[in-house]
Amino acid sequence: AQSVTQLDSQVPVFEEAPVELRCNYSSSVSVYLFWYVQYPNQGLQLLLKYLSGSTLVKGINGFEAEFNKSQTSFHLRKPSVHISDTAEYFCAVSNFGNEKLTFGTGTRLTIIP
Amino acid sequence: EAEVAQSPRYKITEKSQAVAFWCDPISGHATLYWYRQILGQGPELLVQFQDESVVDDSQLPKDRFSAERLKGVDSTLKIQPAELGDSAMYLCASSGRAVGANVLTFGAGSRLTVL
Repeated sequence: AQSVTQLDSQVPVFEEAPVELRCNYSSSVSVYLFWYVQYPNQGLQLLLKYLSGSTLVKGINGFEAEFNKSQTSFHLRKPSVHISDTAEYFCAVSNFGNEKLTFGTGTRLTIIP
Repeated sequence: EAEVAQSPRYKITEKSQAVAFWCDPISGHATLYWYRQILGQGPELLVQFQDESVVDDSQLPKDRFSAERLKGVDSTLKIQPAELGDSAMYLCASSGRAVGANVLTFGAGSRLTVL
């Protein structure tokens, strides 16, 4: 079985400041890792994914994440946030051979003007 | 850009009534998923289809929930009777046939409120 832990349920950040949203996973097999963003009353939009290769992954809207196998982490970062980044962010994991996603409980990012 | 279509976007019903949600995946996508997202939580898988066959419905409350994908294209998720605890966002997603990791594309969701 696999699981995802998002350590922070809410993260307030001042506009133009950097942010890191933390994600740790647990799995007995090799994994694929994802970050999705959800705006109010909308579905989930893919921000970025790690499948293989370089451990630093760049996504949309200036976000990036780094896969750390020894730490079983996949933290999401952005060097300078904007008001429009206010949303819920979900980390998710899937296993080789089965694309179904297991999600974390989400982190609500609030940007303070 | 291809999208996953879901309807209705919003549904308010009274407990013990029947409700149904519809999903039309991206054309050609073989795998379809229904997730339930309770307010303040992450989405949880209810059922996964590969073409018209159920691959995983281990978390589907089968006493009141049913899902079908008769022709392997669009899908319907039904709840009968609805209970207060069923209030949630119901998300549909689909993925393609490529070997390896396929990215799930989600629809906008159907928000259910049970009174």
